[in-house]
Amino acid sequence: AQSVTQLDSQVPVFEEAPVELRCNYSSSVSVYLFWYVQYPNQGLQLLLKYLSGSTLVKGINGFEAEFNKSQTSFHLRKPSVHISDTAEYFCAVSGINSGYALNFGKGTSLLVTP
Amino acid sequence: SQTIHQWPATLVQPVGSPLSLECTVEGTSNPNLYWYRQAAGRGLQLLFYSVGIGQISSEVPQNLSASRPQDRQFILSSKKLLLSDSGFYLCAWSASTGGGEAFFGQGTRLTVV
Repeated sequence: AQSVTQLDSQVPVFEEAPVELRCNYSSSVSVYLFWYVQYPNQGLQLLLKYLSGSTLVKGINGFEAEFNKSQTSFHLRKPSVHISDTAEYFCAVSGINSGYALNFGKGTSLLVTP
Repeated sequence: SQTIHQWPATLVQPVGSPLSLECTVEGTSNPNLYWYRQAAGRGLQLLFYSVGIGQISSEVPQNLSASRPQDRQFILSSKKLLLSDSGFYLCAWSASTGGGEAFFGQGTRLTVV
């Protein structure tokens, strides 16, 4: 089965500073990896995805992530964060099990302050 | 374009009452459908998934059930709610070909009192 671990439950950062949210995955087969963002009391919105090809993936809102097979990681980065980036971020992995359902990490709460 | 509708947005129900949450998808055919529950600090837990009409798979034993009476309709039910059923419930769909992203509804905040 596929699983992901988000290493940080909370990440505080100042506005305009860079940020990295860490995610490691576990799988014995090829996987598809995703990052989602969730604002309070809302559904999840896809930030970016890795299915195949280039290991550097660019997403919406200036976010990017790099797939690293040797380190089994898929860390999310942004060079300069805004107050509006304050939200919950989820890393997820999909495989052929469970109807291709996504398995999510426990989430990282990003708090951006002035 | 595809859209997913989930309702109601919030619900307060007494212990022992029944539950029915509905989710419908538009603009696609034969989607894979999912129900997740989100508890604070615990991420999203997959409850049920369906790859076709009448085909329901449960991921965890619980007080809930799911049904798919039509291709793009997914219903989450309970005959008698427990306090522990409180949470944020999310419906999602993905393409039947698999491997792509899931698209989520806006969620239902269920409080059992």
